[in-house]
Amino acid sequence: DTGVSQNPRHKITKRGQNVTFRCDPISEHNRLYWYRQTLGQGPEFLTYFQNEAQLEKSRLLSDRFSAERPKGSFSTLEIQRTEQGDSAMYLCASTRDVGNTIYFGEGSWLTVV
Amino acid sequence: AQSVTQLGSHVSVSEGALVLLRCNYSSSVPPYLFWYVQYPNQGLQLLLKYTTGATLVKGINGFEAEFKKSETSFHLTKPSAHMSDAAEYFCAVSNGNNFNKFYFGSGTKLNVKP
Repeated sequence: DTGVSQNPRHKITKRGQNVTFRCDPISEHNRLYWYRQTLGQGPEFLTYFQNEAQLEKSRLLSDRFSAERPKGSFSTLEIQRTEQGDSAMYLCASTRDVGNTIYFGEGSWLTVV
Repeated sequence: AQSVTQLGSHVSVSEGALVLLRCNYSSSVPPYLFWYVQYPNQGLQLLLKYTTGATLVKGINGFEAEFKKSETSFHLTKPSAHMSDAAEYFCAVSNGNNFNKFYFGSGTKLNVKP
């Protein structure tokens, strides 16, 4: 396994701009998760995919956030009209099936200035 | 509903001393419990997990944790701290039926003094 890959690792953007993060899960992992982590806090669940279907979304995921997983492979998380409060690390994780270990990527840091 | 409380946002121990990081959980269903470690600017790495069976769980790097249902606890221990153990540690809980989401504690930063 090459691990969960996230890009870009760091992004600095001006308030109001749109940003997109990409996550490539471990091959053949059908479940994919997005979490958000702010400084001094643990990760918070954002959304979850099983294959290409988005099965659950947190209330943290406002209408400015959208996530997709076309063809059940990689996933993208887009944030529109970024706000300073969006500054955080966005973590992607994947697993093969229920009950298996969930593997996290190294995260994508977003700084909104 | 599920939640995790980690007592002590910062813990400092001397190299070679016992490491004890506390985690208490709340869960309306039998919980699955996890400890993850995070090094600076990196993602989370699984240390160990409890699902069912033996309540004392051994993980990587010499860490272990014991599930105590009566105390709703899942404290992480290591007999002898090493400098390389300095990191942030997160306890997490999920429901047993479907790993849709984890609920993480706010983390404990472990400092190891030489």
